[in-house]
Amino acid sequence: KNQVEQSPQSLIILEGKNCTLQCNYTVSPFSNLRWYKQDTGRGPVSLTIMTFSENTKSNGRYTATLDADTKQSSLHITASQLSDSASYICVVSDTNAGKSTFGDGTTLTVKP
Amino acid sequence: DAGVTQSPTHLIKTRGQQVTLRCSPISGHKSVSWYQQVLGQGPQFIFQYYEKEERGRGNFPDRFSARQFPNYSSELNVNALLLGDSALYLCASSLELLMNTEAFFGQGTRLTVV
Repeated sequence: KNQVEQSPQSLIILEGKNCTLQCNYTVSPFSNLRWYKQDTGRGPVSLTIMTFSENTKSNGRYTATLDADTKQSSLHITASQLSDSASYICVVSDTNAGKSTFGDGTTLTVKP
Repeated sequence: DAGVTQSPTHLIKTRGQQVTLRCSPISGHKSVSWYQQVLGQGPQFIFQYYEKEERGRGNFPDRFSARQFPNYSSELNVNALLLGDSALYLCASSLELLMNTEAFFGQGTRLTVV
């Protein structure tokens, strides 16, 4: 069964600090991995998408890494801002375009 | 340019009733997917439609059904509502059915079953 596990479940950091969120998956055969940001009560917004051949991708202060061998990904947030407070969801798709497995997300709280 | 729009934004229904949720994809997008998100969990895949045909189905009972119209908009129907159907229902649209195509989500419909 395809699974996506995210850690930590929740995280509190001070404004301006960096943090790293983890995603481990067992989805096979692998197609792509995406990170989404979801504000409370809103739809997820895409941050990055990585395919098998990519091991790092940046989007502003967000940098995602992918190790397809160990089936791990991380999302690094640099110089956090209060607006970064949200749930960050890792989504892994297999080669069947209709099948994506979502993690339960990491809830990040940035405090002043 | 309008993004993915869902209606209604909030809905309260009684157990046993039926509900229809609507989604309009981004102009030009041919694929629509539906997800259920229970509080504190990630979205769970329900259906994907492409060119008006069902192309994927998640592990949901037959009470859940959907369809896609010629203009690529979509409806999700849930019959015989249960308390456990209370959730945020998300619609996502993508240009094609290709594996690495970007998917864009709507704001969701918050369904409460009482």
